[in-house]
Amino acid sequence: DAGVIQSPRHEVTEMGQEVTLRCKPISGHDYLFWYRQTMMRGLELLIYFNNNVPIDDSGMPEDRFSAKMPNASFSTLKIQPSEPRDSAVYFCASSLISRLVTDTQYFGPGTRLTVL
Amino acid sequence: GQNIDQPTEMTATEGAIVQINCTYQTSGFNGLFWYQQHAGEAPTFLSYNVLDGLEEKGRFSSFLSRSKGYSYLLLKELQMKDSASYLCAATTDRGSTLGRLYFGRGTQLTVWP
Repeated sequence: DAGVIQSPRHEVTEMGQEVTLRCKPISGHDYLFWYRQTMMRGLELLIYFNNNVPIDDSGMPEDRFSAKMPNASFSTLKIQPSEPRDSAVYFCASSLISRLVTDTQYFGPGTRLTVL
Repeated sequence: GQNIDQPTEMTATEGAIVQINCTYQTSGFNGLFWYQQHAGEAPTFLSYNVLDGLEEKGRFSSFLSRSKGYSYLLLKELQMKDSASYLCAATTDRGSTLGRLYFGRGTQLTVWP
C-alpha cells in the first residue's frame, strides 16, 4: 500500500493568497484527520471525517480555514486568505475503525507551509 | 476535558535504558498509543495498550495502568537513531469522539554517544 499521500510537500506563499492542501487516505480507511503542528502548540487536530462526513471541526482556527472530502479517496484543506501565523506543518492521517482493528492512525508525510 | 502530560525533554546515553512517562485525564478512556516522530518527518505508530500491563516489542515496551491514568514507554539498548520526539495519545470509548486521538505535546529524546 502507498500509505497516506499528501501534496504539495512544501508550499511557500504570500500573505493573502489562497492555499489548498491535498490528501489521499489509505484505501479502505473510513476516517480522515487533518492536523497542524508547530513548535509552540504541538500537534493540533483541525477537523476529522468519517465516511466523507465531517464529524468535528471545532479545531479549525477560524473561517479562513475550510475542509472538504468529496469522496473516500480525496480531501482538501483550504486557507483563504493565508496569514503568516498559518505557517506550520499540516498532516493528514487516516484510520480504519472496526471491532477487530485498533484505531491506529497512519500519517502522511505532511505539507510544510510557509506564509510570507 | 482531555489532558495528556509528558515531559518536554529527556537525554540518555547510547546503550542505556530510558523510560518516558505519560499521564492522562481522559473522559471515557479506551486505550493509549505511542508514536515516534523524527525531526522533519511524520509520526509513526509504535505501540497500543488497551489492557493493564506491559507490551513488549523488541527494544521497545509500553506499559499501561488504567487505574492510575499512567503509561510509560521503555526504550532499551538505546541507539543514536532513537533520538526523536515520542508522542503519547489517548483514545476514548465508542461515543461522539469515536476514532479521535488526544495527543500530548511530545517528549524530545536526545541520545548521546
